[in-house]
Amino acid sequence: EAGVAQSPRYKIIEKRQSVAFWCNPISGHATLYWYQQILGQGPKLLIQFQNNGVVDDSQLPKDRFSAERLKGVDSTLKIQPAKLEDSAVYLCASSLGSSGNEQFFGPGTRLTVL
Amino acid sequence: AQSVSQHNHHVILSEAASLELGCNYSYGGTVNLFWYVQYPGQHLQLLLKYFSGDPLVKGIKGFEAEFIKSKFSFNLRKPSVQWSDTAEYFCAVGPLSGGYNKLIFGAGTRLAVHP
Repeated sequence: EAGVAQSPRYKIIEKRQSVAFWCNPISGHATLYWYQQILGQGPKLLIQFQNNGVVDDSQLPKDRFSAERLKGVDSTLKIQPAKLEDSAVYLCASSLGSSGNEQFFGPGTRLTVL
Repeated sequence: AQSVSQHNHHVILSEAASLELGCNYSYGGTVNLFWYVQYPGQHLQLLLKYFSGDPLVKGIKGFEAEFIKSKFSFNLRKPSVQWSDTAEYFCAVGPLSGGYNKLIFGAGTRLAVHP
């Protein structure tokens, strides 16, 4: 079974630039998550999709971050404009359903904002 | 606010030593509890989970964890560690609010096992 795919694996940008990350979840997984992991901290949920609908985006900085999951499969997370404090690993995860299911994580995208 | 606290940020052990990593959470309702592990260069993966029933749960690679409801704790244990257990370990809590699978992670404990 193929795992969660993410690209790119690494990205370096200047502050105020924009960046986008892509995630392809495990086939058949209805729920998709984006996490931000800052160095020295655990992953923090940014947004959760159930199929193509948002069920939790309470910790997404909506003035600069956006995410979509068109057709309920792939997802993109965008930052525009980026700030220095956005430097982190962005993890995508997926699970079969929305309640009590194991989340499977991708390799992450390491973003450095200079 | 809901939070997860992991007591040790770095642990260094020799092979065959026993391991216990502490995890406490603050949430008044029903929760699911998880330990995830990230080996060097690999993805986060599930080590074990507790949903209900026997509070002592066993996971992969000889790990186990005990849920103590009165202490809001879910400590991870292994009787004898190996060099291959070198990794970062994350405790996570899944509050059962709204039926959604939200996870709140602790800051992680980095374990180094020396041969």
